[in-house]
Amino acid sequence: KAGVTQTPRYLIKTRGQQVTLSCSPISGHRSVSWYQQTPGQGLQFLFEYFSETQRNKGNFPGRFSGRQFSNSRSEMNVSTLELGDSALYLCASSSRVAGNTIYFGEGSWLTVV
Amino acid sequence: QKEVEQNSGPLSVPEGAIASLNCTYSDRGSQSFFWYRQYSGKSPELIMSIYSNGDKEDGRFTAQLNKASQYVSLLIRDSQPSDSATYLCAVEMNRDDKIIFGKGTRLHILP
Repeated sequence: KAGVTQTPRYLIKTRGQQVTLSCSPISGHRSVSWYQQTPGQGLQFLFEYFSETQRNKGNFPGRFSGRQFSNSRSEMNVSTLELGDSALYLCASSSRVAGNTIYFGEGSWLTVV
Repeated sequence: QKEVEQNSGPLSVPEGAIASLNCTYSDRGSQSFFWYRQYSGKSPELIMSIYSNGDKEDGRFTAQLNKASQYVSLLIRDSQPSDSATYLCAVEMNRDDKIIFGKGTRLHILP
């Protein structure tokens, strides 16, 4: 069974630009969560989507947004990029049927210059 | 008080010894707890989950949970150099089901 797939794996953007990251969950998983990981702050929760609805949201500015499609694939978007947005963005999927164990993708490394 | 707290380390343990990693959490009603391992430059991978008070063993790993003390730990027996990584404690918060991570403990196994 394929794991969580994230694209792109690496990207470099300029301040002020926007970026869209994509995540395909494990087959059968309907929940997708996004996290930002930086050396100083660790893993921080961005949001969770379940059945195309945002189920939870972290404490990030409105520049960070996401959505989920009917096939459970998810995208997150960051607009007006700032240098501080440079981070590893991790997507995790869960079935939310038998507990809420989440499984991570390999992540998208974003560098803002 | 932070939602999930871990000692950042580094924790240095000789090869073959027992490594003990600790985590405390603030949401008393939390029911689900997880340990992840993250190698440098990689994404976190699940080691094990624990939901009931007491010990849960999986190979060389034992998770221990004490809900009254709001404390969860991970023991690694017969530590190997390949166990050198950052270990992340995660807690599913009772108030909103978010899974919140501690900042992780860096473990270094000394050959």
